[in-house]
Amino acid sequence: AQTVTQSQPEMSVQEAETVTLSCTYDTSESDYYLFWYKQPPSRQMILVIRQEAYKQQNATENRFSVNFQKAAKSFSLKISDSQLGDAAMYFCAFPYGQNFVFGPGTRLSVLP
Amino acid sequence: SQTIHQWPATLVQPVGSPLSLECTVEGTSNPNLYWYRQAAGRGLQLLFYSVGIGQISSEVPQNLSASRPQDRQFILSSKKLLLSDSGFYLCAWSPGVSTEAFFGQGTRLTVV
Repeated sequence: AQTVTQSQPEMSVQEAETVTLSCTYDTSESDYYLFWYKQPPSRQMILVIRQEAYKQQNATENRFSVNFQKAAKSFSLKISDSQLGDAAMYFCAFPYGQNFVFGPGTRLSVLP
Repeated sequence: SQTIHQWPATLVQPVGSPLSLECTVEGTSNPNLYWYRQAAGRGLQLLFYSVGIGQISSEVPQNLSASRPQDRQFILSSKKLLLSDSGFYLCAWSPGVSTEAFFGQGTRLTVV
């Protein structure tokens, strides 16, 4: 079965600190992409970062980086120097066939 | 560049009334198109997806239907709304298989 698990329903971080959101997944595919999406209070889903499974190097995008462990099927998101605007729901996802499998989300609060 | 438009942003409809939500994509051709529903504080539920004009796949049996009359137009409809149809609806597009999805701004539907 194709699944995504995000074991942390809610997390909080102090402004300017670093936080890591966890994601584990299960897929029968050997080559695939993984994504982190951010959904702020406006509720529009925004792509934060993507990782290609065949690449060993972890993806980075400014303050956002991932720790991708293919053998463990783990894909965590690290947010450095957290800002108030980072407060949002974060979804881990991967494409499967013509569709996508999304995790249940982690709600991140940023404390001033 | 590619853009996705979804409207209306907010809609309040009485029970039993019809529904039509529209989504259009610009700057690309033959996109995969998706309709998702999201309950408050929850994850995404795939309702319909389309890989081409007139090709609609339904993931969840429900009171809704979808149509793709043009390559870059995707419409979500209902003949008679139910209270349970209330929610946040997101349209998304993808360039193809195993690539990321890009989302519209969403429609908040309240059935009263």
